[in-house]
Amino acid sequence: KNEVEQSPQNLTAQEGEFITINCSYSVGISALHWLQQHPGGGIVSLFMLSSGKKKHGRLIATINIQEKHSSLHITASHPRDSAVYICAVRSEVQKLVFGQGTRLTINP
Amino acid sequence: DTEVTQTPKHLVMGMTNKKSLKCEQHMGHRAMYWYKQKAKKPPELMFVYSYEKLSINESVPSRFSPECPNSSLLNLHLHALQPEDSALYLCASSQVVVGRVGTQYFGPGTRLTVL
Repeated sequence: KNEVEQSPQNLTAQEGEFITINCSYSVGISALHWLQQHPGGGIVSLFMLSSGKKKHGRLIATINIQEKHSSLHITASHPRDSAVYICAVRSEVQKLVFGQGTRLTINP
Repeated sequence: DTEVTQTPKHLVMGMTNKKSLKCEQHMGHRAMYWYKQKAKKPPELMFVYSYEKLSINESVPSRFSPECPNSSLLNLHLHALQPEDSALYLCASSQVVVGRVGTQYFGPGTRLTVL
């Protein structure tokens, strides 16, 4: 069993829909990261969370430390949001453990 | 400047070639990372440098040789690679705070093909 599990693995939605991607982890962590990777490679760090909730534009990330669970929400989704979203947890200093990623496709 | 740059963007090399990947950041970060990413898989950590010293080597074969000549630059020297080493190589950097690491900023990657 992976230490970091994401669901769903693939998600297709229509433009404007509310999107939720989930991440569960089994290790003790000091922080959780949500990352975005577009086709072609580069990774963008969206959020780093250690508690509560963060919001940036149409993106919202929440974490429940007791339940070892985090969610990434996208409101009013747009085709440009199509990407792979990766959850990564920091269990040791300087090391991230990555989930397998969620491939999101938003159709116009 | 919150950018991590990597050169080249694409690299094709034969198994007998010697090449280098370069990574640069000017955010004052003192931790720098090399990751390898195969298609449709998450990144795998290869090396971590902290204050220009190698702090983590994830049992990477010696045909990959990292170098951190100063706090802004990170190189990955490649020699006698195998076709299975073809992948996207990502560089990242972050601040170092005692007991933890800050947000990692990733570069765009170098897509390496070994023939």
